[in-house]
Amino acid sequence: AQKVTQAQTEISVVEKEDVTLDCVYETRDTTYYLFWYKQPPSGELVFLIRRNSFDEQNEISGRYSWNFQKSTSSFNFTITASQVVDSAVYFCALSEADRTGANSKLTFGKGITLSVRP
Amino acid sequence: NAGVTQTPKFRVLKTGQSMTLLCAQDMNHEYMYWYRQDPGMGLRLIHYSVGEGTTAKGEVPDGYNVSRLKKQNFLLGLESAAPSQTSVYFCASSLRAGTGRANYGYTFGSGTRLTVV
Repeated sequence: AQKVTQAQTEISVVEKEDVTLDCVYETRDTTYYLFWYKQPPSGELVFLIRRNSFDEQNEISGRYSWNFQKSTSSFNFTITASQVVDSAVYFCALSEADRTGANSKLTFGKGITLSVRP
Repeated sequence: NAGVTQTPKFRVLKTGQSMTLLCAQDMNHEYMYWYRQDPGMGLRLIHYSVGEGTTAKGEVPDGYNVSRLKKQNFLLGLESAAPSQTSVYFCASSLRAGTGRANYGYTFGSGTRLTVV
């Protein structure tokens, strides 16, 4: 069974600090997908990134970067120079490759609440 | 170009009442899902469907029923609401990957906040 662990529950930083959100996953499949979502106080889920298991390249998008390491089953998310607007709950999620549809479902971690203080 | 639409957005029920949450998508997605979100628990899968007329249980199915009579709609029913079902409910949909085993991502609705008193 697939599992996602976000050991950090709450993180508080001061604006402009860098912050890393950890994500560790478990899966028996060799083909799988990892996701990060942001949930701001308004409540909607905002898609940030999708990464498949064959692509271990790190990705950078503006102030956001992701470090995928299959050796440690981790997919960590770093926000550089954090801003107050980054305050949100961040979810890491895992989906195994779709073969019958039963494996397409998304398994979420419990989420990390990030507070960025001015 | 609505994506995934959930109705209603808010609802207060009394214990024992029944209700149906509607999820509608206009993207011709084969797969649809219902999740519930509770504080500190992340999102947990209730039921899902891989096609019209098919449904399957997720992680927390007890107390809920679902139906997918039309490809674009996925209904979540609470036959006898309990306070433990107070939660935020999210619907999502995704494309079927086919033989390539790809994953094209998920589209989420904006959520339904349900309170059972």
